[in-house]
This record gives sequence, structure tokens and C-alpha cells, in this order.
Amino acid sequence: DAKTTQPPSMDCAEGRAANLPCNHSTISGNEYVYWYRQIHSQGPQYIIHGLKNNETNEMASLIITEDRKSSTLILPHATLRDTAVYYCIVRVGSSGSARQLTFGSGTQLTVLP
Amino acid sequence: EAQVTQNPRYLITVTGKKLTVTCSQNMNHEYMSWYRQDPGLGLRQIYYSMNVEVTDKGDVPEGYKVSRKEKRNFPLILESPSPNQTSLYFCASSPGTGGRQPQHFGDGTRLSIL
Repeated sequence: DAKTTQPPSMDCAEGRAANLPCNHSTISGNEYVYWYRQIHSQGPQYIIHGLKNNETNEMASLIITEDRKSSTLILPHATLRDTAVYYCIVRVGSSGSARQLTFGSGTQLTVLP
Repeated sequence: EAQVTQNPRYLITVTGKKLTVTCSQNMNHEYMSWYRQDPGLGLRQIYYSMNVEVTDKGDVPEGYKVSRKEKRNFPLILESPSPNQTSLYFCASSPGTGGRQPQHFGDGTRLSIL
């Protein structure tokens, strides 16, 4: 699986959009970009994933650059409960793979009141 | 509510006393997995199961056993726990094994082995 690079920490004001970047310059054509978050030692929570098109769900939006070498997770209206470590992961999408998720260091997002 | 349930959530025990951490999911998922999380080391996979009666080792299987006799349950067994197994443990499940299947995690079990 391709390696990812994320900033170690970011702050965001409550109610504003939080934009979390991720670099994955060695991503290959069959690898998906996943985002998870972990709130203070709770189980990691799936947020969103995508291959090459931008994706949106009830939690967030995922913007993937055209060359797929980087992506941005957007939380449109951050709340204090969004304070967590956010992990960007790239993973092969083929079926039959039992590959684990490789969590790096992630970005500690702190939403400030 | 779709969920992965782990028990116990917290356990303090002594070296050598066998223990089992249970994991159950109610989503009819085929794939289940156990991870441990330690400071500075991230999440590391212990064992995984692709379906009933199919299990395989992850990156750090030493000292652990698992079984998958039913689809919904995937217990983690420490036959003779040691202090280096003190950690935060997570069970996860997903509908299949493909990379397009997001994993759902339990709330974790914090084990302290004295």
C-alpha cells in the first residue's frame, strides 16, 4: 500500500470548515483513499473513501486531485466533537485481499470554541 | 443498530492467567480482525478471519489465539498473558475483504497484564 504523509496537527475554529490534507504521491491506479478518525482511544471510525472522483457523504467531503497524488478531507462545519486524530490510508481495492489497514501517525485536529 | 461489541472494555489481570476478549458483530460481515494499539506504534494487526473456520496471522500473532466458529463472533484468546501484551485492543469487521469495504471497529478493550 502507498505511503501517506499528513501534518501532525491542525486547529480549526468551531463552525468553520476543517480541511485536512494528505499526500500520497506513490499511489497506484487500483488504490483507494480512505479516511478514518479516532476520538481519544475509541475505536477508529470510518469517514469516507474514494478512488478518483470527489465524494461526499453525511460526514464529510473528499477531494482527490486529478493526478491522485494528494487529497483533502473537508469537514464543512466543524464541531468540538470532531476533535480527533484523522488518518488517511491508501489501500488496494481488489477483492480477495485480506490486507490490513495501515494507520500512520495521522493528523490531530483540534476544534477550538 | 449496526455495531461491533467487545467485552470486557477494561481488564487488569496477572501474568499467566488465561483470558478471552470477546468480539461480536451484528452486520453479517465475513471479515473480522483484531488489532492492538500501542503508543508510537499505531495499530498492528494480530489475526484476521475471512470467514467461518478461516483464520490467519497478522503482523503480531505471537502469544494470541483466535477462533471463528460462528460468523458473528471472533474471540481473542491469551493463553498465558505477559506484561508485553498490555495494550489497547480493537476488533474490526467488514462485509468482505476487498479494499473497497470500510472496516467497522469496536470501542476497544484496554488490557493491563501485571
